Amino acid sequence: AQSVTQPDIHITVSEGASLELRCNYSYGATPYLFWYVQSPGQGLQLLLKYFSGDTLVQGIKGFEAEFKRSQSSFNLRKPSVHWSDAAEYFCAVGAKDSSYKLIFGSGTRLLVRP
Amino acid sequence: NAGVTQTPKFRVLKTGQSMTLLCAQDMNHEYMYWYRQDPGMGLRLIHYSVGEGTTAKGEVPDGYNVSRLKKQNFLLGLESAAPSQTSVYFCASSWAGQDRAFFGQGTRLTVV
Repeated sequence: AQSVTQPDIHITVSEGASLELRCNYSYGATPYLFWYVQSPGQGLQLLLKYFSGDTLVQGIKGFEAEFKRSQSSFNLRKPSVHWSDAAEYFCAVGAKDSSYKLIFGSGTRLLVRP
Repeated sequence: NAGVTQTPKFRVLKTGQSMTLLCAQDMNHEYMYWYRQDPGMGLRLIHYSVGEGTTAKGEVPDGYNVSRLKKQNFLLGLESAAPSQTSVYFCASSWAGQDRAFFGQGTRLTVV
């Protein structure tokens, strides 16, 4: 069964600083990997996804993520954070078997200092 | 283009009462999911469906039942509500397992 760990519950960065949110997964093979963002009181919006191929994927709003098989990681990065990026970020793992279960991590809340 | 619609948006139940949450999608998606979101625990998968007439258990299925009689609808039922089921419930759908999931706006359920 797949699982996802996001070790950081909260992260605070200054506006304009770089950002890296950590995600580690457990799965028997290379899974489908996703990052979603949730603004307060809203549903979830997809930032980016990885299925295969190039291990560095680009997403919306200037985010990117790098898949590292050897570390079972899929960390999310942004070179310069904007105040509007304050939200909760979820990493998710999709199974490649017939179940296609989609499992989420516990989330990382990003706070942005002006 | 409605996407994924959840009904109701808010509900307060007394312990022991029953209710059904409705999720409707208009994108002809095969896969549908029900999650609950609790502080510090992220989204936990309750049940999911890989097509009309099919359902499967997720991570936290106890106390919930689901049905997918029509492709566009996925119902989540609570037969006897408990305070531990106080949560925000999200429905999601996707065209294929590897495709992005579209989420509803959530249902905030309080059991007193």
